[in-house]
Amino acid sequence: GAGVSQSPSNKVTEKGKDVELRCDPISGHTALYWYRQSLGQGLEFLIYFQGNSAPDKSGLPSDRFSAERTGGSVSTLTIQRTQQEDSAVYLCASSLVEVAFFGQGTRLTVV
Amino acid sequence: GNSVTQMEGPVTLSEEAFLTINCTYTATGYPSLFWYVQYPGEGLQLLLKATKADDKGSNKGFEATYRKETTSFHLEKGSVQVSDSAVYFCALSGQKGYSTLTFGKGTMLLVSP
Repeated sequence: GAGVSQSPSNKVTEKGKDVELRCDPISGHTALYWYRQSLGQGLEFLIYFQGNSAPDKSGLPSDRFSAERTGGSVSTLTIQRTQQEDSAVYLCASSLVEVAFFGQGTRLTVV
Repeated sequence: GNSVTQMEGPVTLSEEAFLTINCTYTATGYPSLFWYVQYPGEGLQLLLKATKADDKGSNKGFEATYRKETTSFHLEKGSVQVSDSAVYFCALSGQKGYSTLTFGKGTMLLVSP
């Protein structure tokens, strides 16, 4: 596609359930980022993939969060045993050199 | 580590007023600097960028100059429009394309007719 695609656009889940969020980056982009946007918290870095290098996971808030990127393309962010504080908009971005292009995000609500 | 500090909002202006949104940064090396904008109900999109000291990024009437001596990248526009109402994020990238992007907390701009 022409841009970064994220799915689902909205997700409501019960506390304690696992969720998977998907990101399709722009074709050919080697870098992929996940961020979390919470009200009043700005953009919080979660994880960064660059080519075949080991991902930078330094922003993951707990071991309930994990992400993978298969074949250097599609990425999945998984949150296990969701908590109410996980409610946020999860943004994915990809880049080739330095300008990051963002998807529309997945709004996650944990009830 | 890298960090970005933006002025807190909301910034409330009347149409045709002059806009400044302050942004300062802390970084090692020579970062590239960016302003991203998020219009209501839309995703983040790049507004402008500057890759080295004294560069001026510009787009849609907005400008920002990379000031290494003051570690700043303030966003300016001479005459704002209602359609400029959005949240503006200042960001930096470390080594070109090979590091995470660090964002400020965002500044909401509200422009009234």
